[in-house]
Amino acid sequence: QKEVEQNSGPLSVPEGAIASLNCTYSDRGSQSFFWYRQYSGKSPELIMSIYSNGDKEDGRFTAQLNKASQYVSLLIRDSQPSDSATYLCAVYSSASKIIFGSGTRLSIRP
Amino acid sequence: DVKVTQSSRYLVKRTGEKVFLECVQDMDHENMFWYRQDPGLGLRLIYFSYDVKMKEKGDIPEGYSVSREKKERFSLILESASTNQTSMYLCASSREPQAFFGQGTRLTVV
Repeated sequence: QKEVEQNSGPLSVPEGAIASLNCTYSDRGSQSFFWYRQYSGKSPELIMSIYSNGDKEDGRFTAQLNKASQYVSLLIRDSQPSDSATYLCAVYSSASKIIFGSGTRLSIRP
Repeated sequence: DVKVTQSSRYLVKRTGEKVFLECVQDMDHENMFWYRQDPGLGLRLIYFSYDVKMKEKGDIPEGYSVSREKKERFSLILESASTNQTSMYLCASSREPQAFFGQGTRLTVV
């Protein structure tokens, strides 16, 4: 079992709709969870972090964490073409490592 | 702003060469990481360091070594480059728990 798992996609969403990205992790001791966005040919950039169960909202982005189910998600409201990118879920593990999922490719169609 | 700088954006090396990839951060972060990114495999952790002269193996350390003589600098060394080490290499630094990435080095081994 991979430590951090994501559906690779591609996920195609119409402009203006909600994009929903999901991630599961295996280390129950993990305390910190992140979503990075990576455009083609660029480095990952941090867009959301979440540390406690529940929802965290920042503009059009909402991160959701459920530690009992070992599940993290990212919702993007009012999707824009500029949101087309690969989204990486990352977990700060109990071994002080930052482990990434393989990423989900998101495509926003006009 | 956090700045993580990798010494080269593109590198071409021959099989068997010793290759040095350098990474410098300017925010006095304790933790530094080296990842490689390959299509469909996401970011895989090679080595990380949580202090000067300290290093820990990640998930794929074989064929690599690292050096951290100063807090701001973390070097990745390919002892004898091979074609299967052709990849994008990403350095990151972190003051727990968020990580910030350099621009990446695309290494081609011929």
